[in-house]
Amino acid sequence: QVQLVQSGAEVKKPGASVKVSCDASGYIFTDYYMHWVRQAPGQGPEWMGWINPNSGDTNYAQKFQGRVTMTRDTSITTAYMDLSRLRSDDTAVYYCARGRGVGTTGPIFDYWGQGTLVTVSS
Amino acid sequence: QSALTQPASVSGSPGQSITISCTGTSSDIENHNFVFWYQQHPGKAPTLMIFEGSERPSGVSNRFSGSKSGNTASLTISGLQAEDEAHYYCCSFAGSGTWAFGGGTHLTVL
Repeated sequence: QVQLVQSGAEVKKPGASVKVSCDASGYIFTDYYMHWVRQAPGQGPEWMGWINPNSGDTNYAQKFQGRVTMTRDTSITTAYMDLSRLRSDDTAVYYCARGRGVGTTGPIFDYWGQGTLVTVSS
Repeated sequence: QSALTQPASVSGSPGQSITISCTGTSSDIENHNFVFWYQQHPGKAPTLMIFEGSERPSGVSNRFSGSKSGNTASLTISGLQAEDEAHYYCCSFAGSGTWAFGGGTHLTVL
């Protein structure tokens, strides 16, 4: 069965960086895009970007360009999301979510990680 | 990227039907057939309920249905049950490989 298992909660100071991991299993990692979505307390989800695990190509939401980096390690089927220059309004639960199959249409965000709470506080 | 507009809340009694709207623009919903709906219970990750406007993933009840007209997508839940009480979010392709979510609608089952 498809599983996405994320790293644990983080507490960071403003200006610091955070790196969240997402360990994928139960499917061919390189066949599906991986997206990152965050959700601030009491707010709706916010799409951050995606990575093509096969090619390493990325596409980031304009709001996060320059601050976010998405990478992957295909040898251990793990995706990573690195967010720098953290601010208090970056406090949120960060999710990885499986995207579509590369080159296909169909369901998107059909599987989600359990979420990683990132708290930014001085 | 655009944000999609949803009503903040809707409510209905058990057995009734409700519809949640999701309004976008020509950049997203109107010109793309890629609208998705997610259900989220408190403290849980979202769950996909409808994809590509009207398709249901396996395991999702046929009480859930989706449609689109112009720049507005809709989710209809028929035969409301207590377990349907949750937040519902729409999501659309917004061009240039980007995606946008709605602000969410809280459904209360009276």
